[in-house]
Amino acid sequence: QITLKESGPTLVKPTQTLTLTCTFSGFSLTTSGVAVGWIRQPPGKALEWLALIFWDDDKRYSPSLKSRLTITMDTSKSQVVLTMTNMDPVDTATYYCAHRQEWEDSGTYMEAFDIWGQGTMITVSS
Amino acid sequence: IQMTQSPSSLSASVGDRVTFTCRASLSIGIYLNWYQQKPGKAPNLLIYGASNLQSGVPSRFSGSGSGTDFTLTIDSLQPEDFATYYCQQTYSTLFTFGPGTKVDIK
Repeated sequence: QITLKESGPTLVKPTQTLTLTCTFSGFSLTTSGVAVGWIRQPPGKALEWLALIFWDDDKRYSPSLKSRLTITMDTSKSQVVLTMTNMDPVDTATYYCAHRQEWEDSGTYMEAFDIWGQGTMITVSS
Repeated sequence: IQMTQSPSSLSASVGDRVTFTCRASLSIGIYLNWYQQKPGKAPNLLIYGASNLQSGVPSRFSGSGSGTDFTLTIDSLQPEDFATYYCQQTYSTLFTFGPGTKVDIK
């Protein structure tokens, strides 16, 4: 059974750096094809994809936030860490990590976030 | 790739058949997923690859479409289906979500 859980501070001051940890079980980030992503959702607003890290340490970032984001993994601890620099009140949101699943059908590879963590609410305020 | 969804909200009754749409700003083949999100909860994957029902999801949910236009249909809306529905493209490895369609009780 795959589970993920986000952890981090609940309150961050403007200009500070946010560090979030996703601790997972039920899969390994050393297995080919596996990936973990981060998604956030400001209160009352839509989902926004942030970053994705693959088993081979390949990384993808949202273009609009790329300069502020870093995603890393610690396979020994089954953790993925997201750091976001220069936090602003507009970054107040629930932050989710999620397991990316891949399916193959006649040579077509489909992917989606099939298992999500419960999310962690981050407030940016002085 | 920009994603749009319509309508932004709709009111429906238990038992209704509801359909809503997702449009991509350029052709994304079948690389389109649908998620359901209830208040205070994480999203739940319903459909992947435009039309593939995720394991454990009731068969009243179905997805269709390819290219730029996609639909999600719920046959016989149930009380637990009142939620917000998001589409997501995975054509590019920058997994853009749509703005969502909120389904509430008429």
